[in-house]
Amino acid sequence: GQQLNQSPQSMFIQEGEDVSMNCTSSSIFNTWLWYKQEPGEGPVLLIALYKAGELTSNGRLTAQFGITRKDSFLNISASIPSDVGIYFCAGQLGSNDYKLSFGAGTTVTVRA
Amino acid sequence: NAGVTQTPKFQVLKTGQSMTLQCAQDMNHNSMYWYRQDPGMGLRLIYYSASEGTTDKGEVPNGYNVSRLNKREFSLRLESAAPSQTSVYFCASSEMTGLVTQYFGPGTRLLVL
Repeated sequence: GQQLNQSPQSMFIQEGEDVSMNCTSSSIFNTWLWYKQEPGEGPVLLIALYKAGELTSNGRLTAQFGITRKDSFLNISASIPSDVGIYFCAGQLGSNDYKLSFGAGTTVTVRA
Repeated sequence: NAGVTQTPKFQVLKTGQSMTLQCAQDMNHNSMYWYRQDPGMGLRLIYYSASEGTTDKGEVPNGYNVSRLNKREFSLRLESAAPSQTSVYFCASSEMTGLVTQYFGPGTRLLVL
């Protein structure tokens, strides 16, 4: 599949902080998705983005489909302890493409 | 409505043993997928089934076979397990191929000794 570069690889959050992560690719994507995975569980869809420039929110989460269609960003505002987990970006190359390419994930941990 | 279910949750195999991972969905979805997840890597597609009666290879199909038993069920078989197949396996489903909102099961953790 296409390589998606997700950064940062890991981050520590303090309750109340705003945090950001992003995903980039050398290819143009048709759709961007953001998933969250908690320990021992499967990924759960957070936000789906279908148009370049689209900005979509889901509670305290906001994601954007980059104008170039080669990147996407996820922001978490006013983080809380239950935000810990692994966040994955995923992209679909073409509208009829069955494949999703996944980033390696950003691990979010609460700072002690 | 259970969504996507997988069995077993955890399995230990010896090299050369075979086993089948089961997946079922109750969302009436047409498409189903098998992924593997390894540390530090994203999910990689093993096989997928666009609709009942069809299956196709994904990114990493070697060493695996699949069966789309009916619309609900999609199984993954390891004929002769190897240590390199130690991984977490996820099944997912979507309404149709190309509609990328995929819903994942809880995973099967496989250890091959």
